[in-house]
Amino acid sequence: GAVVSQHPSRVICKSGTSVKIECRSLDFQATTMFWYRQFPKQSLMLMATSNEGSKATYEQGVEKDKFLINHASLTLSTLTVTSAHPEDSSFYICSARGFQPTNEKLFFGSGTQLSVL
Amino acid sequence: GQQLNQSPQSMFIQEGEDVSMNCTSSSIFNTWLWYKQDPGEGPVLLIALYKAGELTSNGRLTAQFGITRKDSFLNISASIPSDVGIYFCAGQLYNTDKLIFGTGTRLQVFP
Repeated sequence: GAVVSQHPSRVICKSGTSVKIECRSLDFQATTMFWYRQFPKQSLMLMATSNEGSKATYEQGVEKDKFLINHASLTLSTLTVTSAHPEDSSFYICSARGFQPTNEKLFFGSGTQLSVL
Repeated sequence: GQQLNQSPQSMFIQEGEDVSMNCTSSSIFNTWLWYKQDPGEGPVLLIALYKAGELTSNGRLTAQFGITRKDSFLNISASIPSDVGIYFCAGQLYNTDKLIFGTGTRLQVFP
């Protein structure tokens, strides 16, 4: 089946630094990728929709200047958490959709656990 | 952000028992999905439902898309220890790619 690879799986950083998370579709081209954030024992909350070759669309309450998204190719989207603070510590998950407009073509990465000290 | 109401919040059952969980929404959804998430991992799709009233099975799992399109349930029969995890429903609004996730049901299975 299709695979979405997310890297790194875990990152620890100091407050004030920036962290980049990569999301790759390994065996299909992803026109759209989604970034979610999940706090402990909570559900997944959509942060933004990333479209290849255009600007990302952010959900209400998500700061676009803090969470920079780049979808430069059909197989790669990156999320950069800029000037990270402890409250940004969370589990970040991406998902990718291929050209086929069915939900079974929406695949999730394995997530990135971000811990900001 | 918007979330779907999912119940129960957690379940502690004995191996072999059947499990039922459901999801309700004030909005109509075009598609309902059920996912399982293991600790430290991304969610994995279990069942996808595309039509109101649709009943779909995947092994020991059965899910239904409510007639009103505002609810869905998931049943797990004859539970086994590897069923342990967090189950999420997700609804997709018509003509969008966005998924709205439920609040999750944490399942614990005791041998």
